[in-house]
Amino acid sequence: GAVVSQHPSWVICKSGTSVKIECRSLDFQATTMFWYRQFPKQSLMLMATSNEGSKATYEQGVEKDKFLINHASLTLSTLTVTSAHPEDSSFYICSVNRDRGPHEQFFGPGTRLTVL
Amino acid sequence: AQTVTQSQPEMSVQEAETVTLSCTYDTSENNYYLFWYKQPPSRQMILVIRQEAYKQQNATENRFSVNFQKAAKSFSLKISDSQLGDTAMYFCAFMIIRGDGNKLVFGAGTILRVKS
Repeated sequence: GAVVSQHPSWVICKSGTSVKIECRSLDFQATTMFWYRQFPKQSLMLMATSNEGSKATYEQGVEKDKFLINHASLTLSTLTVTSAHPEDSSFYICSVNRDRGPHEQFFGPGTRLTVL
Repeated sequence: AQTVTQSQPEMSVQEAETVTLSCTYDTSENNYYLFWYKQPPSRQMILVIRQEAYKQQNATENRFSVNFQKAAKSFSLKISDSQLGDTAMYFCAFMIIRGDGNKLVFGAGTILRVKS
């Protein structure tokens, strides 16, 4: 069964509004989660590392105020796209690091965001 | 800088035949893992195979096997008896094992089409 869930799976919003995407670890607690962005036929681009109980670590070039990340519990991280614009339209994927056992990242099914 | 290079943007193979996807990487680290992920049209990322860098033996998972050449920093994926369900985008990635969340570094991906 699924290890990581994302909600919603797709969302359409108007330009200027904010959108929140949830990522849940279903099988284990995760102190670290990751958020990626992916354009069609391209690779995954890491946006930020979400750390439970502390501030997220953003990759170079990613606007912290634009993409707000909250990791309030060991099973939930949220990504909020603030004041969304058409150029924010993309596929957003989260992943969860397994803290114990074989090193592996488990990926959510992704969220397709379309900003009109 | 850590980089992963997949030099084949697209490949095709006849059903039941064998295909090899290439991957090279660059890192100065010694403790890392290598992965091949598959992303079918559903866009769900699926782990295909994992290789610990300290292990000399090549990893195998059913029809999937790797040729890991550590000195050459090469990590190719061989798919035997290709099936239509293998049609997907394949990403090579490596993970450096540290205390800061173990980020994945992805290659650009190879689109594989299996033809009947």
